Amino acid sequence: GAVVSQHPSWVICKSGTSVKIECRSLDFQATTMFWYRQFPKQSLMLMATSNEGSKATYEQGVEKDKFLINHASLTLSTLTVTSAHPEDSSFYICSAAHRPPSTDTQYFGPGTRLTVL
Amino acid sequence: GEDVEQSLFLSVREGDSSVINCTYTDSSSTYLYWYKQEPGAGLQLLTYIFSNMDMKQDQRLTVLLNKKDKHLSLRIADTQTGDSAIYFCAEIPQGGKLIFGQGTELSVKP
Repeated sequence: GAVVSQHPSWVICKSGTSVKIECRSLDFQATTMFWYRQFPKQSLMLMATSNEGSKATYEQGVEKDKFLINHASLTLSTLTVTSAHPEDSSFYICSAAHRPPSTDTQYFGPGTRLTVL
Repeated sequence: GEDVEQSLFLSVREGDSSVINCTYTDSSSTYLYWYKQEPGAGLQLLTYIFSNMDMKQDQRLTVLLNKKDKHLSLRIADTQTGDSAIYFCAEIPQGGKLIFGQGTELSVKP
């Protein structure tokens, strides 16, 4: 149980285009989902917290107009990187909060590797 | 403030035990977690421990928690090459955001 998927697993795009990444909780409903960014050999950096039916809460320094988050249902959150540039190239990972052992426990997706040329 | 620290590297031989250590600063977390990340993959929840417990064992994994010293450790018995990965300890202080350590890269040599 508590399986989270992401799509696509990798994407290459041209500079200036937009890219949408989907995060799905496959066997549970997740009121809260999280989006992280990870640079090589580093820990995860929280970008935003996504709550179903409401606006996402962005961390300090994360541009909400550049990283659009939509959490339209209890099993799907999307991250759209708008007008992507090479510096946006990174590994993006989502997670969904679910029991057990507590409602805060986060289960992670497999990640999406974004490369902007 | 909130801070979780781990050593960056650990190298062991196949069949030995591995011990990965972690220290944290916020004592309000109800649970503490260990996640495993293999190359190019997401994070897998490996195990967790309730803050009122001192030890938890799950097959080859043993988690020890010293609340007084705010020290958490993960012991992997009979370490295998498939255990090679980066291991993150994490806590969720009051406020709900997961705080990660830097990750410990475990290298298992045959």
